[in-house]
Amino acid sequence: NAGVTQTPKFRVLKTGQSMTLLCAQDMNHEYMYWYRQDPGMGLRLIHYSVGEGTTAKGEVPDGYNVSRLKKQNFLLGLESAAPSQTSVYFCASSYPPRGSNTYEQYFGPGTRLTVT
Amino acid sequence: GDSVTQMEGPVTLSEEAFLTINCTYTATGYPSLFWYVQYPGEGLQLLLKATKADDKGSNKGFEATYRKETTSFHLEKGSVQVSDSAVYFCALAGSGGATNKLIFGTGTLLAVQP
Repeated sequence: NAGVTQTPKFRVLKTGQSMTLLCAQDMNHEYMYWYRQDPGMGLRLIHYSVGEGTTAKGEVPDGYNVSRLKKQNFLLGLESAAPSQTSVYFCASSYPPRGSNTYEQYFGPGTRLTVT
Repeated sequence: GDSVTQMEGPVTLSEEAFLTINCTYTATGYPSLFWYVQYPGEGLQLLLKATKADDKGSNKGFEATYRKETTSFHLEKGSVQVSDSAVYFCALAGSGGATNKLIFGTGTLLAVQP
């Protein structure tokens, strides 16, 4: 199993350009998440999905859109990139929790995005 | 809302020293608590977890005990190695959680010198 993979690993955009980050998981997980990681701020949730065809907003959704057309893929789009979106983006996936247990999240290696 | 506070770094230790990284949380109900580790250039990996009060999570020599009375989940290791150098994140998942969303602390950089 490859686990969680992210494409691309690095990208430089100019302000106003658009791009899509791809996340893929081969663990048959229902839930998928997009986070951004910024110095001194930890990881913050952008959007998440609890199943194919569903998406929901997280803590910092503005300027991003997502789609989950297939269970194994979760796409993060930037329609008009801004310098404030310079960050490292991580995708994660997990099982749904049952009862009192909480299942761990499995993270991809990250995409480093710079917007100039 | 729910939040996690962890000690700021960097923490610099000599090899074989004792490590403590403090983590406290604010949450309604009974959250599950986690420590994740991020090695340079990599994604996050789960290090250990605890799902109820007084549970002790342990892995690779690291331990943390879920203390509800002090709302804490401090990470400890008796003897650190150079290979433990990484960023450590404390996180919680709310008990309301149909969605298993995680709330992260800001991370603590640990640097272990030989």
